Order: sequence, then structure tokens, then C-alpha cells
Amino acid sequence: SQQGEEDPQALSIQEGENATMNCSYKTSINNLQWYRQNSGRGLVHLILIRSNEREKHSGRLRVTLDTSKKSSSLLITASRAADTASYFCATDGTARQLTFGSGTQLTVLP
Amino acid sequence: SAVISQKPSRDICQRGTSLTIQCQVDSQVTMMFWYRQQPGQSLTLIATANQGSEATYESGFVIDKFPISRPNLTFSTLTVSNLSPEDSSIYLCSVRPRTNYGYTFGSGTRLTVV
Repeated sequence: SQQGEEDPQALSIQEGENATMNCSYKTSINNLQWYRQNSGRGLVHLILIRSNEREKHSGRLRVTLDTSKKSSSLLITASRAADTASYFCATDGTARQLTFGSGTQLTVLP
Repeated sequence: SAVISQKPSRDICQRGTSLTIQCQVDSQVTMMFWYRQQPGQSLTLIATANQGSEATYESGFVIDKFPISRPNLTFSTLTVSNLSPEDSSIYLCSVRPRTNYGYTFGSGTRLTVV
């Protein structure tokens, strides 16, 4: 079953704009990860944030984590058409397995 | 990070038949994970496969329908048995090379049952 919800379910923006996706989860975690999936293919790992971290950056990606609210956000800055994909958050907890959120479909218009 | 070769990439199968999906990892890993992604949905864990022991199945998934083999630390197969149209999904394998590292996924198998 899904760990939690992501919002929005779908997001459409213009190239160059920033995209923000939010994720909520339900249980204790060791870390939270974000993945991208292009057109129903395999998932690509984007970034991992540990439970004792609050913010992390990687290139155009910025992820935040609020364990008190059990929520995370992914910001993609200066978006490109190639960023069009589905984005999933996933939690890695005591069960030593990933549990995925419901996903956000991002469309970046040229 | 690990590299996974997953085969086949897609298949169209008749009802009542079975499909076996293979995942080969380029390094030894303790646990391999199998996921199902139904059309337009997120990923749901089917089972965790450890080498040398029976797979651990999640609620709603049973061994008779989804038998898994894990003969060594680099290879696993998932069979989807007695296919029905409801089994049409993408199936993915995954490994976690190290604690607090991102997981690596195979490229997925898109199954269509007709």
C-alpha cells in the first residue's frame, strides 16, 4: 500500500519556471527519496534525504524534510522540457524496503 | 551504483498463460525487490527476495500467483502465473546497494494480457 500522498497529482508549467511537489507520509523513516519515471519506464533515483537532515541540494533539485509534519517537498528550479516525467517520493523505514507515494505528473511546456 | 538488466522489456500474453521476468544485477546484493505498477498508478511492492530462502510476500500477493526464484546474489526471476487482463501492468525489480543509498531499478517489463 502507498505510504502517503503526493500533491499535486498533476502539474503543468512553462519552461524556466520552478516546480514544487509535496509528499506526506505516515510512519517513521530512515530516509526519504525522490525518483523520476519517464513514460512508464524504470525509475531513476534523484536525491535522498536522511531523517536527521532538513534540506538538501543537488544541481537544480532542492528537497526539504519536516519529520514533525511527516512531509517533504521537491523543488525543481529553471525547469526544462526534458523534466517532463512522473515524480515519486518513497520512504525507507524500519522494514528496509521502499514505500512509494502516489506520484506527481509534471509537464513542462516549451 | 548497481546496474540491473531486466528482460523482457515488454510482452503481450494470452490469458491463462504465464510470463517469467528476469533481473540480472552486475554486483552481489542481499535483497532484491519486485514491484507492480498498474496503469496510471504508483508502485506496489510484491515481494522481497533473499538468496537461499523463500521470498517474503506483501499482503495481497501470494506465491502461487507470483513465484519468485533467487538462485544467487546477482539474479532473480518473477513469474506471473495464470494471467488475466487485470495483471496488465509494469513489473519492476529493484536493489538497494547500501544502507542510506538510493535504490536502483530495472527498466521495467510492460505486460499486456489479452
